[in-house]
Amino acid sequence: DIQMTQSPSSVSASVGDRVTITCQASQGVNSWLAWYQQKPGKAPRLLIYSVSTLQSGVPLRFSGSGSGTDFTLTISSLQPEDFATYYCQQANSFPYTFGQGTKLELK
Amino acid sequence: QVQLVESGGGLVKPGGSMRLSCAASGFTSNDYYMSWIRQAPGKGLEWVAYIRNSDSATYYPDSMKGRITISRDSAKNSLYLQMSSLRAEDTAIYYCARGQGSSSWFGAFDIWGQGTLVTVSS
Repeated sequence: DIQMTQSPSSVSASVGDRVTITCQASQGVNSWLAWYQQKPGKAPRLLIYSVSTLQSGVPLRFSGSGSGTDFTLTISSLQPEDFATYYCQQANSFPYTFGQGTKLELK
Repeated sequence: QVQLVESGGGLVKPGGSMRLSCAASGFTSNDYYMSWIRQAPGKGLEWVAYIRNSDSATYYPDSMKGRITISRDSAKNSLYLQMSSLRAEDTAIYYCARGQGSSSWFGAFDIWGQGTLVTVSS
């Protein structure tokens, strides 16, 4: 199984800050890498797929990059609605696996 | 409106069985890759089942093989998850999710249901 490791597990930031979350795969996942946002009591929301393609309706302050085993999600200027938990996910091979999550909290 | 609505969760005893349903609307679920993904209370996301659009081939993690079956009913535009030999560690919210892109699979899930809670306890 491909293990997905996110860092940090939690981060405190302020509105307007730039935040970067990293996701490292235990083996290469090609471009089969997605990012999700989840708020308490809600289903996850797809933000980015294929490493860097923004899902329709997602604000441009979200961006993704990386290749091989190392990937990043960047929020360029945090907005109040961005405080949530973020997950990466690989679909290069079964079983599909998620990172453990990164909780983004208000400082 | 494109949406997924799960049902069928509840309390079940260890060793018991349960069948979850997921009704799709606003799109034809047969045209898409579909999955079930679960989340234990306060924990992360875990993929548990997948059914392919073209031939209904199914995939499961080794930890779930033999205990779960994903299926679909095109007439009802619905997805199902049959679970058996349930254990306390199967307690979770179960989400059904649509694979993004009917003609091209990008490995991501773009539409999620609200989830249904399965509690395994005596």
